[in-house]
Amino acid sequence: IAGITQAPTSQILAAGRRMTLRCTQDMRHNAMYWYRQDLGLGLRLIHYSNTAGTTGKGEVPDGYSVSRANTDDFPLTLASAVPSQTSVYFCASSTREGGPYNEQFFGPGTRLTVL
Amino acid sequence: AQSVAQPEDQVNVAEGNPLTVKCTYSVSGNPYLFWYVQYPNRGLQFLLKYITGDNLVKGSYGFEAEFNKSQTSFHLKKPSALVSDSALYFCAVRDSNQAGTALIFGKGTTLSVSS
Repeated sequence: IAGITQAPTSQILAAGRRMTLRCTQDMRHNAMYWYRQDLGLGLRLIHYSNTAGTTGKGEVPDGYSVSRANTDDFPLTLASAVPSQTSVYFCASSTREGGPYNEQFFGPGTRLTVL
Repeated sequence: AQSVAQPEDQVNVAEGNPLTVKCTYSVSGNPYLFWYVQYPNRGLQFLLKYITGDNLVKGSYGFEAEFNKSQTSFHLKKPSALVSDSALYFCAVRDSNQAGTALIFGKGTTLSVSS
């Protein structure tokens, strides 16, 4: 089934630990994105990648890093987790063919709790 | 800078009544506007988008949205609400002058439809 998968579904993490959230899409979309969703704040962009091999910073990139070694995978890493990174994380993708008005497709999310 | 506002945190309607979820935006170029819906513990699902052309856009599940350039609005509407429409709704915008960036999301509006 075409779409975006994220792993893990949820995770409880001790502060200071390193964590990588995984995201894989099978739609051959060029662009991929990581958002965090927090109550009252909506979705905020963390990092994005317009194509394999390139990445960019979004609105709230501090404390997070990403890589885009290939088209399908876009992992998000928290090098040293802090409680303020407790959130629900969504990965998304979109095609760039045809222009900038293509909708994004979202994964099911990862619920992360940092204690 | 591009931005989007959803002035209502929550909208309550009775089943069968028409519903409106409000969205206003600010961009420097032409707006590309989107509506997404999020059901509990799920990712966002695309409902509809406005790129150009007819100001009334029809989307999934009987929803439609009206683009109003003079009021910089893109309100989501449905003629007859269903209990199953109860969810969190997000408006999003991309500025045509910043085509390489991701969508900017509003903070979301919770729609509650009572039977």
